[in-house]
Amino acid sequence: AQSVSQHNHHVILSEAASLELGCNYSYGGTVNLFWYVQYPGQHLQLLLKYFSGDPLVKGIKGFEAEFIKSKFSFNLRKPSVQWSDTAEYFCAVNPMNTGFQKLVFGTGTRLLVSP
Amino acid sequence: ETGVTQTPRHLVMGMTNKKSLKCEQHLGHNAMYWYKQSAKKPLELMFVYSLEERVENNSVPSRFSPECPNSSHLFLHLHTLQPEDSALYLCASSQAGLAGGRTDNEQFFGPGTRLTVL
Repeated sequence: AQSVSQHNHHVILSEAASLELGCNYSYGGTVNLFWYVQYPGQHLQLLLKYFSGDPLVKGIKGFEAEFIKSKFSFNLRKPSVQWSDTAEYFCAVNPMNTGFQKLVFGTGTRLLVSP
Repeated sequence: ETGVTQTPRHLVMGMTNKKSLKCEQHLGHNAMYWYKQSAKKPLELMFVYSLEERVENNSVPSRFSPECPNSSHLFLHLHTLQPEDSALYLCASSQAGLAGGRTDNEQFFGPGTRLTVL
Protein backbone atom coordinates (compact mmCIF):
# COMPACT_ATOMS: atom_id res chain seq x y z
CA ALA A 1 0.00 0.00 0.00
CA GLN A 2 1.10 3.54 -0.67
CA SER A 3 2.36 5.48 2.32
CA VAL A 4 3.72 8.93 3.09
CA SER A 5 6.34 9.57 5.76
CA GLN A 6 6.89 12.89 7.46
CA HIS A 7 9.99 12.56 9.55
CA ASN A 8 9.47 15.43 11.95
CA HIS A 9 6.36 15.36 14.11
CA HIS A 10 7.16 18.58 15.97
CA VAL A 11 9.43 21.42 14.93
CA ILE A 12 10.16 24.54 16.97
CA LEU A 13 11.89 27.49 15.31
CA SER A 14 12.57 31.12 16.05
CA GLU A 15 11.35 33.77 13.66
CA ALA A 16 13.62 34.29 10.64
CA ALA A 17 15.00 30.75 10.89
CA SER A 18 14.97 28.59 7.79
CA LEU A 19 12.55 25.70 7.53
CA GLU A 20 12.74 22.34 5.83
CA LEU A 21 10.12 19.66 6.42
CA GLY A 22 10.79 16.22 5.03
CA CYS A 23 8.32 14.11 3.07
CA ASN A 24 8.95 10.73 1.48
CA TYR A 25 6.44 8.50 -0.24
CA SER A 26 6.33 4.91 -1.33
CA TYR A 27 4.76 4.54 -4.74
CA GLY A 28 6.55 3.45 -7.86
CA GLY A 29 4.33 5.09 -10.45
CA THR A 30 3.61 8.66 -11.44
CA VAL A 31 2.21 10.82 -8.67
CA ASN A 32 0.79 14.22 -7.89
CA LEU A 33 2.25 15.72 -4.71
CA PHE A 34 0.74 18.24 -2.33
CA TRP A 35 1.48 20.14 0.83
CA TYR A 36 -1.51 21.21 2.88
CA VAL A 37 -1.45 23.49 5.92
CA GLN A 38 -3.85 23.71 8.84
CA TYR A 39 -3.59 26.91 10.87
CA PRO A 40 -4.95 26.79 14.44
CA GLY A 41 -8.72 26.67 14.36
CA GLN A 42 -8.88 26.70 10.57
CA HIS A 43 -9.57 24.16 7.86
CA LEU A 44 -6.97 22.38 5.73
CA GLN A 45 -5.84 24.47 2.79
CA LEU A 46 -3.48 23.90 -0.09
CA LEU A 47 0.01 25.34 0.23
CA LEU A 48 1.42 24.07 -3.06
CA LYS A 49 1.25 21.18 -5.48
CA TYR A 50 3.37 19.37 -8.03
CA PHE A 51 1.75 17.91 -11.11
CA SER A 52 4.45 17.95 -13.78
CA GLY A 53 7.22 20.11 -15.20
CA ASP A 54 9.68 22.06 -13.06
CA PRO A 55 10.35 19.97 -9.94
CA LEU A 56 10.83 23.12 -7.87
CA VAL A 57 7.37 24.35 -7.01
CA LYS A 58 6.54 27.68 -5.44
CA GLY A 59 3.45 28.09 -3.31
CA ILE A 60 1.75 30.71 -1.24
CA LYS A 61 3.35 32.69 1.60
CA GLY A 62 6.92 32.14 0.39
CA PHE A 63 6.88 28.34 0.64
CA GLU A 64 8.47 26.10 -1.96
CA ALA A 65 8.98 22.38 -2.38
CA GLU A 66 11.28 20.28 -4.50
CA PHE A 67 10.27 16.99 -6.07
CA ILE A 68 13.23 14.60 -6.27
CA LYS A 69 11.94 11.56 -8.11
CA SER A 70 15.01 9.41 -7.43
CA LYS A 71 14.59 9.93 -3.70
CA PHE A 72 10.77 9.72 -3.67
CA SER A 73 10.86 12.99 -1.76
CA PHE A 74 8.93 16.26 -1.77
CA ASN A 75 10.45 18.41 0.97
CA LEU A 76 8.90 21.72 1.96
CA ARG A 77 11.11 24.77 2.50
CA LYS A 78 10.88 28.38 3.54
CA PRO A 79 13.98 30.58 3.88
CA SER A 80 12.67 32.69 6.77
CA VAL A 81 9.68 31.68 8.88
CA GLN A 82 7.28 34.02 10.61
CA TRP A 83 5.22 33.62 13.76
CA SER A 84 2.13 33.34 11.53
CA ASP A 85 3.54 30.14 9.99
CA THR A 86 2.72 28.30 13.21
CA ALA A 87 0.49 25.49 11.96
CA GLU A 88 0.35 21.81 11.13
CA TYR A 89 1.72 20.81 7.73
CA PHE A 90 0.62 17.72 5.82
CA CYS A 91 2.27 16.12 2.84
CA ALA A 92 -0.03 14.14 0.51
CA VAL A 93 0.39 11.95 -2.54
CA ASN A 94 -2.12 11.12 -5.25
CA PRO A 95 -1.21 8.16 -7.44
CA MET A 96 -2.08 9.12 -11.00
CA ASN A 97 -4.33 6.29 -11.97
CA THR A 98 -7.83 7.63 -11.28
CA GLY A 99 -9.91 10.55 -12.43
CA PHE A 100 -10.66 11.57 -8.86
CA GLN A 101 -8.04 12.34 -6.28
CA LYS A 102 -7.20 9.57 -3.85
CA LEU A 103 -4.92 11.41 -1.47
CA VAL A 104 -2.67 9.52 0.90
CA PHE A 105 -1.57 11.79 3.73
CA GLY A 106 1.40 11.79 6.05
CA THR A 107 0.92 12.11 9.81
CA GLY A 108 1.64 15.82 9.75
CA THR A 109 4.30 18.08 11.29
CA ARG A 110 3.40 20.63 13.92
CA LEU A 111 5.46 23.78 13.50
CA LEU A 112 5.74 26.29 16.31
CA VAL A 113 7.45 29.56 15.50
CA SER A 114 8.41 31.61 18.50
CA PRO A 115 8.53 35.40 18.12
CA GLU B 1 -14.03 31.61 3.65
CA THR B 2 -14.21 27.96 2.68
CA GLY B 3 -16.56 26.80 -0.07
CA VAL B 4 -17.20 23.59 1.87
CA THR B 5 -19.39 23.71 4.96
CA GLN B 6 -19.98 20.99 7.52
CA THR B 7 -22.61 20.63 10.21
CA PRO B 8 -22.61 20.13 13.07
CA ARG B 9 -19.17 21.35 14.08
CA HIS B 10 -19.26 19.34 17.31
CA LEU B 11 -21.22 16.21 18.13
CA VAL B 12 -21.36 14.07 21.24
CA MET B 13 -23.25 10.81 20.99
CA GLY B 14 -23.77 7.59 22.85
CA MET B 15 -22.98 4.22 21.34
CA THR B 16 -26.64 3.46 20.73
CA ASN B 17 -27.48 6.76 19.03
CA LYS B 18 -28.03 7.42 15.35
CA LYS B 19 -26.80 10.70 13.97
CA SER B 20 -25.81 12.18 10.62
CA LEU B 21 -23.02 14.49 9.52
CA LYS B 22 -23.73 16.87 6.68
CA CYS B 23 -21.41 18.40 4.12
CA GLU B 24 -22.25 20.93 1.45
CA GLN B 25 -19.98 22.31 -1.24
CA HIS B 26 -20.65 25.55 -3.10
CA LEU B 27 -17.83 25.19 -5.63
CA GLY B 28 -19.54 23.32 -8.47
CA HIS B 29 -17.33 20.28 -7.97
CA ASN B 30 -18.26 16.76 -9.02
CA ALA B 31 -16.36 14.69 -6.47
CA MET B 32 -16.75 14.61 -2.70
CA TYR B 33 -14.81 12.83 0.02
CA TRP B 34 -15.05 11.82 3.67
CA TYR B 35 -11.88 11.62 5.76
CA LYS B 36 -11.24 10.65 9.36
CA GLN B 37 -8.57 12.54 11.29
CA SER B 38 -7.49 10.88 14.54
CA ALA B 39 -4.77 12.00 16.89
CA LYS B 40 -1.28 10.90 15.85
CA LYS B 41 -2.56 9.13 12.72
CA PRO B 42 -2.62 10.24 9.09
CA LEU B 43 -5.84 11.48 7.58
CA GLU B 44 -7.68 8.38 6.46
CA LEU B 45 -9.76 8.43 3.32
CA MET B 46 -13.12 6.80 4.06
CA PHE B 47 -15.34 7.30 1.04
CA VAL B 48 -15.20 8.95 -2.37
CA TYR B 49 -18.16 9.95 -4.49
CA SER B 50 -17.54 10.91 -8.09
CA LEU B 51 -20.48 12.13 -10.13
CA GLU B 52 -22.73 11.02 -7.25
CA GLU B 53 -21.54 7.41 -7.43
CA ARG B 54 -19.51 5.86 -4.67
CA VAL B 55 -16.19 4.95 -6.22
CA GLU B 56 -14.17 4.23 -3.13
CA ASN B 57 -14.93 2.55 0.18
CA ASN B 58 -11.74 2.22 2.11
CA SER B 59 -12.66 -0.78 4.27
CA VAL B 60 -14.84 1.33 6.49
CA PRO B 61 -17.07 -0.48 9.03
CA SER B 62 -20.74 -0.65 8.13
CA ARG B 63 -21.67 1.51 11.12
CA PHE B 64 -20.63 4.38 8.84
CA SER B 65 -23.01 4.84 5.92
CA PRO B 66 -22.45 7.59 3.34
CA GLU B 67 -25.07 9.17 1.15
CA CYS B 68 -24.66 11.55 -1.77
CA PRO B 69 -28.08 12.73 -2.97
CA ASN B 70 -26.61 15.24 -5.42
CA SER B 71 -23.25 16.70 -6.38
CA SER B 72 -23.44 19.42 -3.72
CA HIS B 73 -24.37 17.39 -0.67
CA LEU B 74 -22.75 14.53 1.18
CA PHE B 75 -23.92 12.85 4.35
CA LEU B 76 -22.32 10.41 6.75
CA HIS B 77 -24.89 8.43 8.71
CA LEU B 78 -23.65 7.07 12.01
CA HIS B 79 -25.12 4.27 14.12
CA THR B 80 -23.90 2.11 16.98
CA LEU B 81 -20.50 3.75 16.98
CA GLN B 82 -17.62 2.82 19.27
CA PRO B 83 -15.51 5.14 21.44
CA GLU B 84 -12.56 4.60 19.09
CA ASP B 85 -14.62 6.28 16.36
CA SER B 86 -14.15 9.58 18.16
CA ALA B 87 -12.25 11.81 15.75
CA LEU B 88 -12.47 14.81 13.46
CA TYR B 89 -14.43 13.95 10.32
CA LEU B 90 -13.49 16.06 7.33
CA CYS B 91 -15.36 16.52 4.09
CA ALA B 92 -13.66 17.64 0.89
CA SER B 93 -14.57 18.27 -2.71
CA SER B 94 -12.72 18.53 -5.99
CA GLN B 95 -13.31 18.67 -9.72
CA ALA B 96 -12.56 15.18 -10.96
CA GLY B 97 -11.65 14.39 -14.53
CA LEU B 98 -14.41 12.73 -16.52
CA ALA B 99 -14.02 9.27 -18.02
CA GLY B 100 -10.87 8.73 -15.99
CA GLY B 101 -9.19 11.84 -17.35
CA ARG B 102 -6.57 13.34 -15.09
CA THR B 103 -6.94 16.52 -13.16
CA ASP B 104 -4.50 18.31 -10.93
CA ASN B 105 -7.25 20.24 -9.20
CA GLU B 106 -6.86 20.41 -5.47
CA GLN B 107 -9.26 19.18 -2.87
CA PHE B 108 -11.03 21.84 -0.82
CA PHE B 109 -11.70 20.87 2.78
CA GLY B 110 -14.44 21.79 5.18
CA PRO B 111 -13.79 22.70 8.83
CA GLY B 112 -14.72 19.23 10.07
CA THR B 113 -17.06 17.78 12.65
CA ARG B 114 -15.48 16.92 16.00
CA LEU B 115 -17.20 13.69 17.03
CA THR B 116 -17.05 12.25 20.54
CA VAL B 117 -18.57 8.83 21.20
CA LEU B 118 -19.27 8.08 24.84
